[in-house]
Amino acid sequence: RKEVEQDPGPFNVPEGATVAFNCTYSNSASQSFFWYRQDCRKEPKLLMSVYSSGNEDGRFTAQLNRASQYISLLIRDSKLSDSATYLCVVTMDSNYQLIWGAGTKLIIKP
Amino acid sequence: DTEVTQTPKHLVMGMTNKKSLKCEQHMGHRAMYWYKQKAKKPPELMFVYSYEKLSINESVPSRFSPECPNSSLLNLHLHALQPEDSALYLCASSQEVRTGELFFGEGSRLTVL
Repeated sequence: RKEVEQDPGPFNVPEGATVAFNCTYSNSASQSFFWYRQDCRKEPKLLMSVYSSGNEDGRFTAQLNRASQYISLLIRDSKLSDSATYLCVVTMDSNYQLIWGAGTKLIIKP
Repeated sequence: DTEVTQTPKHLVMGMTNKKSLKCEQHMGHRAMYWYKQKAKKPPELMFVYSYEKLSINESVPSRFSPECPNSSLLNLHLHALQPEDSALYLCASSQEVRTGELFFGEGSRLTVL
């Protein structure tokens, strides 16, 4: 079982819709969680950190479910510019280790 | 605009060439990283520098040689590469190691012939 798993997609979503996807992690000792977005042939960019209490930034909401060991990303009122691959990242405090999911591809259609 | 600058953006080299990738950040970050990324795959960690000292080498072949001349600069020296080394090489920085909040450069797209 992979340490961090994501549905690769693609998720094809009409503009204006709400879309959500999850990222599951296998190590219960995981401490910190992040979402990155990566546009085609560009570098990853930090989208948001995921706190225990959740995190909201405009149209984006990230949640952490420690009991079920997953994080989620919800995008409301999706825009064409939201089309990208969304990568989740999990870290452990016990050592320096940044574990990347393989990413979920999102395509917003007009 | 990214605050981590990488040069060159594109590089084509033969298997016998020696070249270097360069990375610069002026955010005062104390940790700098080299990642390698193949198409449709997540970034793969190669090296981590913390306070200008190499702290992590993820069993990278010796044909890749990192160098951190000062806290703002990071180089990756390339020698005798193989075609399978063709990839996007990403430099990143963060305030400290042990954080998942990384700032990436635009990358250097390397093709080895």
